Amino acid sequence: DQQVKQNSPSLSVQEGRISILNCDYTNSMFDYFLWYKKYPAEGPTFLISISSIKDKNEDGRFTVFLNKSAKHLSLHIVPSQPGDSAVYFCAASGRGSSNTGKLIFGQGTTLQVKP
Amino acid sequence: DAGITQSPRHKVTETGTPVTLRCHQTENHRYMYWYRQDPGHGLRLIHYSYGVKDTDKGEVSDGYSVSRSKTEDFLLTLESATSSQTSVYFCAISESGEHGYTFGSGTRLTVV
Repeated sequence: DQQVKQNSPSLSVQEGRISILNCDYTNSMFDYFLWYKKYPAEGPTFLISISSIKDKNEDGRFTVFLNKSAKHLSLHIVPSQPGDSAVYFCAASGRGSSNTGKLIFGQGTTLQVKP
Repeated sequence: DAGITQSPRHKVTETGTPVTLRCHQTENHRYMYWYRQDPGHGLRLIHYSYGVKDTDKGEVSDGYSVSRSKTEDFLLTLESATSSQTSVYFCAISESGEHGYTFGSGTRLTVV
């Protein structure tokens, strides 16, 4: 049972346009959400996060939106650049009974930004 | 640069042989994790550790064991490797168990 889902395996956008990556979750206990970016042959790197007490967090060209009622979050990249081409993973964690920081990841979305 | 190193980076092994992957950190972080990455599945948690000799299972722990005898090292062992364990394995560390991880560069394991 996939608790975090990224239903779009791939996305292609033109340089300078907006990229929107989507993520859905099923577990209402999740209270912290993160996006990671991964280049080939490298480990994932942290990009941006959002707590469930917020509905938006912005960092430069990257903005994450959280819709708790819909159990949906999205990552917006504006403007998109060719260097943004990578696999993007959505992840979620919940405090639950043991605060061990376990992250549950989605399947990933491969973003291609065309020059 | 982030103080986390995985070894080996690549390994080919035969079905039925034991394999140990090593994760070494210099950050003195309490929490360490092993994930595997497979197409269509993203990253799935195998085992994690919340302190020396304190470990617990993740969602895909069958066929794997771990050990953490020192803060800096977290070992993942495949007791008897199978072809289904062909994957890319990532180690991650976290200082507080909250928020984001720092990942290693991964180990590509092929079981033939």
